[in-house]
Amino acid sequence: AQSVSQHNHHVILSEAASLELGCNYSYGGTVNLFWYVQYPGQHLQLLLKYFSGDPLVKGIKGFEAEFIKSKFSFNLRKPSVQWSDTAEYFCAVHTDKLIFGTGTRLQVFP
Amino acid sequence: GAGVSQSPSNKVTEKGKDVELRCDPISGHTALYWYRQSLGQGLEFLIYFQGNSAPDKSGLPSDRFSAERTGGSVSTLTIQRTQQEDSAVYLCASSFRLGATNEKLFFGSGTQLSVL
Repeated sequence: AQSVSQHNHHVILSEAASLELGCNYSYGGTVNLFWYVQYPGQHLQLLLKYFSGDPLVKGIKGFEAEFIKSKFSFNLRKPSVQWSDTAEYFCAVHTDKLIFGTGTRLQVFP
Repeated sequence: GAGVSQSPSNKVTEKGKDVELRCDPISGHTALYWYRQSLGQGLEFLIYFQGNSAPDKSGLPSDRFSAERTGGSVSTLTIQRTQQEDSAVYLCASSFRLGATNEKLFFGSGTQLSVL
């Protein structure tokens, strides 16, 4: 069965620090990969997605993610975080249905 | 409607009672998902619909949980004989077409269920 693992449950950073959130999935076939974000008090919303082509995808607010097929990974990165990036981040994989990881809570301090 | 609408936004019930949660997807969206969000558990897949049919019900935690969708639109998630461990936020999401290359899920604000 497909599954998604997010290794970091809680990440605390200062503004301007670099961010990398890990995501690994288990599924042998073709997958579509997503990162969703939930800002405090708001709905879940799409941050970025990978379907095919360039494995380095760019999303909103300066986020990017790299699909590494050999490692079954889709890590999220941002070179310099801001206080407003404080949120919960969910990796998701879509095969026949969309499955989410357990989420990573990011806190950014000014 | 403008977005995915869920009702009620909050529901407090007594253990053993039945509850019904409602989801109105975005008009024209054929795919509809139910998830459960618990502290420390992330987003747990429950069920999805393509039109009125549910190809995958494997995420439903027990036979106390059921869901239906009528007219390719509104969906209801029913929990019978609620237990305290059912307390969570139940999220609904819809998308234009399941598996479409540009599929993007739009989430509702959820129903916070508290079982006392």
